[in-house]
Amino acid sequence: DAKTTQPNSMESNEEEPVHLPCNHSTISGTDYIHWYRQLPSQGPEYVIHGLTSNVNNRMASLAIAEDRKSSTLILHRATLRDAAVYYCILRDDMGTGANSKLTFGKGITLSVRP
Amino acid sequence: DAGVIQSPRHEVTEMGQEVTLRCKPISGHNSLFWYRQTMMRGLELLIYFNNNVPIDDSGMPEDRFSAKMPNASFSTLKIQPSEPRDSAVYFCASSLRLRAVNYGYTFGSGTRLTVV
Repeated sequence: DAKTTQPNSMESNEEEPVHLPCNHSTISGTDYIHWYRQLPSQGPEYVIHGLTSNVNNRMASLAIAEDRKSSTLILHRATLRDAAVYYCILRDDMGTGANSKLTFGKGITLSVRP
Repeated sequence: DAGVIQSPRHEVTEMGQEVTLRCKPISGHNSLFWYRQTMMRGLELLIYFNNNVPIDDSGMPEDRFSAKMPNASFSTLKIQPSEPRDSAVYFCASSLRLRAVNYGYTFGSGTRLTVV
Protein backbone atom coordinates (compact mmCIF):
# COMPACT_ATOMS: atom_id res chain seq x y z
CA ASP A 1 0.00 0.00 0.00
CA ALA A 2 1.15 3.53 -0.74
CA LYS A 3 1.97 5.29 2.51
CA THR A 4 1.40 8.76 3.88
CA THR A 5 2.85 10.46 6.94
CA GLN A 6 0.90 12.97 8.98
CA PRO A 7 1.53 14.63 12.36
CA ASN A 8 -0.52 13.09 15.15
CA SER A 9 -2.33 16.28 16.09
CA MET A 10 -2.71 19.99 15.50
CA GLU A 11 -4.48 22.83 17.25
CA SER A 12 -5.99 25.90 15.66
CA ASN A 13 -8.09 28.88 16.62
CA GLU A 14 -11.61 29.40 15.41
CA GLU A 15 -11.94 31.67 12.39
CA GLU A 16 -8.27 31.24 11.45
CA PRO A 17 -6.84 29.26 8.51
CA VAL A 18 -5.51 25.77 9.11
CA HIS A 19 -2.84 24.00 7.09
CA LEU A 20 -2.72 20.23 7.53
CA PRO A 21 0.43 18.67 6.03
CA CYS A 22 0.90 15.24 4.50
CA ASN A 23 4.05 13.59 3.21
CA HIS A 24 3.90 10.88 0.58
CA SER A 25 7.41 10.48 -0.77
CA THR A 26 6.70 7.09 -2.37
CA ILE A 27 3.70 8.27 -4.39
CA SER A 28 3.38 6.68 -7.80
CA GLY A 29 2.30 8.36 -10.99
CA THR A 30 -1.20 6.89 -10.87
CA ASP A 31 -1.91 7.76 -7.23
CA TYR A 32 -4.45 10.44 -6.45
CA ILE A 33 -4.23 12.27 -3.12
CA HIS A 34 -7.46 11.99 -1.16
CA TRP A 35 -8.51 13.65 2.08
CA TYR A 36 -11.31 12.37 4.27
CA ARG A 37 -12.31 13.50 7.71
CA GLN A 38 -14.14 11.83 10.56
CA LEU A 39 -16.15 13.90 12.97
CA PRO A 40 -16.75 12.46 16.45
CA SER A 41 -19.16 9.51 16.45
CA GLN A 42 -19.61 9.64 12.67
CA GLY A 43 -18.33 7.80 9.64
CA PRO A 44 -15.56 9.29 7.50
CA GLU A 45 -16.61 11.83 4.90
CA TYR A 46 -14.95 12.92 1.69
CA VAL A 47 -13.22 16.30 1.75
CA ILE A 48 -11.23 16.73 -1.44
CA HIS A 49 -8.86 14.98 -3.83
CA GLY A 50 -6.37 15.83 -6.54
CA LEU A 51 -3.65 14.47 -8.81
CA THR A 52 -1.20 17.24 -9.71
CA SER A 53 -2.91 20.62 -9.72
CA ASN A 54 -4.19 22.48 -6.69
CA VAL A 55 -7.89 21.94 -6.07
CA ASN A 56 -10.58 24.00 -4.40
CA ASN A 57 -14.08 23.13 -3.29
CA ARG A 58 -16.60 24.50 -0.82
CA MET A 59 -15.01 22.64 2.08
CA ALA A 60 -11.29 23.15 1.57
CA SER A 61 -8.34 23.63 -0.73
CA LEU A 62 -5.66 21.10 -1.59
CA ALA A 63 -2.17 22.30 -2.39
CA ILE A 64 0.05 19.70 -4.05
CA ALA A 65 3.81 20.09 -4.24
CA GLU A 66 5.32 20.18 -7.69
CA ASP A 67 7.14 16.87 -7.12
CA ARG A 68 3.91 15.42 -5.58
CA LYS A 69 5.79 14.12 -2.57
CA SER A 70 3.77 16.24 -0.19
CA SER A 71 0.46 18.04 0.00
CA THR A 72 -1.41 20.38 2.32
CA LEU A 73 -5.09 20.51 3.13
CA ILE A 74 -6.17 24.08 3.78
CA LEU A 75 -9.24 25.02 5.76
CA HIS A 76 -9.64 28.73 5.13
CA ARG A 77 -11.57 29.61 8.29
CA ALA A 78 -11.70 26.91 10.93
CA THR A 79 -14.93 26.44 12.82
CA LEU A 80 -15.62 24.34 15.89
CA ARG A 81 -17.38 21.88 13.62
CA ASP A 82 -14.09 21.26 11.78
CA ALA A 83 -12.63 19.49 14.83
CA ALA A 84 -12.09 15.98 13.50
CA VAL A 85 -9.54 13.39 12.44
CA TYR A 86 -8.28 14.18 8.93
CA TYR A 87 -6.94 11.35 6.82
CA CYS A 88 -4.58 11.80 3.88
CA ILE A 89 -4.79 8.75 1.61
CA LEU A 90 -3.22 7.77 -1.69
CA ARG A 91 -5.37 5.84 -4.11
CA ASP A 92 -5.04 4.66 -7.67
CA ASP A 93 -8.35 6.00 -8.93
CA MET A 94 -8.04 4.23 -12.24
CA GLY A 95 -6.88 0.85 -10.97
CA THR A 96 -8.40 -2.36 -9.65
CA GLY A 97 -5.60 -3.65 -7.45
CA ALA A 98 -4.67 -3.14 -3.83
CA ASN A 99 -3.86 0.53 -4.35
CA SER A 100 -7.35 1.22 -5.69
CA LYS A 101 -8.88 0.84 -2.24
CA LEU A 102 -9.07 3.49 0.45
CA THR A 103 -6.64 2.43 3.17
CA PHE A 104 -6.82 4.63 6.25
CA GLY A 105 -3.85 5.45 8.45
CA LYS A 106 -4.04 7.12 11.84
CA GLY A 107 -4.75 10.58 10.46
CA ILE A 108 -4.22 13.90 12.18
CA THR A 109 -6.49 15.02 14.98
CA LEU A 110 -7.44 18.67 14.58
CA SER A 111 -8.62 20.58 17.64
CA VAL A 112 -10.23 24.01 17.24
CA ARG A 113 -10.14 26.49 20.09
CA PRO A 114 -13.03 28.95 20.45
CA ASP B 1 -30.70 10.98 -1.03
CA ALA B 2 -30.74 9.25 2.37
CA GLY B 3 -27.11 8.24 2.09
CA VAL B 4 -25.73 4.88 3.18
CA ILE B 5 -28.05 3.36 5.74
CA GLN B 6 -26.80 0.96 8.37
CA SER B 7 -28.76 -0.96 10.96
CA PRO B 8 -28.81 -1.38 13.83
CA ARG B 9 -26.98 1.69 15.18
CA HIS B 10 -26.08 -0.14 18.35
CA GLU B 11 -25.95 -3.85 19.11
CA VAL B 12 -25.13 -5.51 22.40
CA THR B 13 -24.90 -9.27 22.36
CA GLU B 14 -23.54 -12.09 24.41
CA MET B 15 -20.45 -14.01 23.45
CA GLY B 16 -21.30 -16.92 21.21
CA GLN B 17 -24.37 -15.36 19.66
CA GLU B 18 -24.79 -14.65 15.98
CA VAL B 19 -24.74 -10.99 14.94
CA THR B 20 -25.95 -9.61 11.62
CA LEU B 21 -25.18 -6.09 10.51
CA ARG B 22 -27.06 -4.57 7.60
CA CYS B 23 -26.27 -1.98 4.97
CA LYS B 24 -28.22 -0.24 2.23
CA PRO B 25 -25.87 1.53 -0.19
CA ILE B 26 -26.65 4.65 -2.15
CA SER B 27 -28.83 3.89 -5.13
CA GLY B 28 -26.72 3.67 -8.29
CA HIS B 29 -23.46 2.93 -6.51
CA ASN B 30 -21.90 -0.34 -7.65
CA SER B 31 -19.16 -0.83 -5.05
CA LEU B 32 -19.69 -1.59 -1.38
CA PHE B 33 -17.17 -1.77 1.43
CA TRP B 34 -17.25 -3.03 5.01
CA TYR B 35 -14.81 -1.46 7.48
CA ARG B 36 -14.17 -2.04 11.16
CA GLN B 37 -12.84 0.63 13.53
CA THR B 38 -11.21 0.10 16.92
CA MET B 39 -8.97 2.31 18.99
CA MET B 40 -6.09 -0.13 18.65
CA ARG B 41 -6.25 -0.86 14.93
CA GLY B 42 -8.02 2.16 13.48
CA LEU B 43 -10.12 1.75 10.33
CA GLU B 44 -9.61 -1.61 8.63
CA LEU B 45 -11.14 -2.71 5.35
CA LEU B 46 -12.76 -6.11 5.81
CA ILE B 47 -14.24 -6.85 2.40
CA TYR B 48 -15.49 -5.11 -0.69
CA PHE B 49 -17.93 -5.92 -3.46
CA ASN B 50 -18.15 -4.67 -7.02
CA ASN B 51 -21.43 -5.23 -8.84
CA ASN B 52 -22.56 -7.47 -5.95
CA VAL B 53 -19.55 -9.78 -6.35
CA PRO B 54 -16.98 -10.06 -3.54
CA ILE B 55 -13.67 -8.83 -4.92
CA ASP B 56 -11.33 -8.84 -1.96
CA ASP B 57 -12.04 -10.40 1.43
CA SER B 58 -8.44 -10.48 2.61
CA GLY B 59 -9.31 -8.22 5.52
CA MET B 60 -11.90 -10.55 6.99
CA PRO B 61 -10.30 -11.62 10.26
CA GLU B 62 -11.56 -15.20 10.54
CA ASP B 63 -14.05 -17.72 9.27
CA ARG B 64 -16.46 -16.45 11.88
CA PHE B 65 -16.99 -13.43 9.66
CA SER B 66 -18.99 -13.62 6.45
CA ALA B 67 -20.50 -11.01 4.14
CA LYS B 68 -23.10 -11.21 1.43
CA MET B 69 -24.56 -8.89 -1.13
CA PRO B 70 -27.64 -10.57 -2.61
CA ASN B 71 -28.60 -7.52 -4.66
CA ALA B 72 -27.45 -4.01 -5.44
CA SER B 73 -29.39 -2.46 -2.59
CA PHE B 74 -28.51 -4.65 0.37
CA SER B 75 -25.54 -6.22 2.12
CA THR B 76 -25.00 -8.06 5.38
CA LEU B 77 -22.00 -8.73 7.57
CA LYS B 78 -22.45 -11.70 9.86
CA ILE B 79 -20.37 -12.80 12.82
CA GLN B 80 -21.00 -16.29 14.13
CA PRO B 81 -20.12 -16.96 16.89
CA SER B 82 -19.32 -13.50 18.21
CA GLU B 83 -16.47 -12.88 20.65
CA PRO B 84 -15.66 -9.91 22.92
CA ARG B 85 -12.73 -8.94 20.68
CA ASP B 86 -15.20 -8.31 17.86
CA SER B 87 -16.45 -5.26 19.73
CA ALA B 88 -15.94 -2.31 17.41
CA VAL B 89 -17.73 0.17 15.18
CA TYR B 90 -18.53 -1.36 11.81
CA PHE B 91 -18.91 0.98 8.86
CA CYS B 92 -20.39 0.34 5.47
CA ALA B 93 -19.47 2.56 2.52
CA SER B 94 -20.52 2.67 -1.09
CA SER B 95 -19.08 4.26 -4.21
CA LEU B 96 -19.31 4.27 -7.95
CA ARG B 97 -16.85 2.73 -10.33
CA LEU B 98 -17.63 3.93 -13.82
CA ARG B 99 -15.60 3.79 -17.03
CA ALA B 100 -12.53 2.54 -15.11
CA VAL B 101 -12.67 5.44 -12.63
CA ASN B 102 -13.14 4.88 -8.89
CA TYR B 103 -15.15 7.69 -7.32
CA GLY B 104 -15.26 8.79 -3.69
CA TYR B 105 -16.74 6.74 -0.88
CA THR B 106 -19.84 7.63 1.11
CA PHE B 107 -19.90 6.11 4.57
CA GLY B 108 -22.81 5.18 6.75
CA SER B 109 -23.10 6.19 10.38
CA GLY B 110 -21.84 2.85 11.57
CA THR B 111 -23.00 0.07 13.89
CA ARG B 112 -21.45 0.04 17.34
CA LEU B 113 -21.15 -3.61 18.35
CA THR B 114 -20.49 -4.66 21.93
CA VAL B 115 -19.98 -8.33 22.69
CA VAL B 116 -20.12 -9.14 26.39
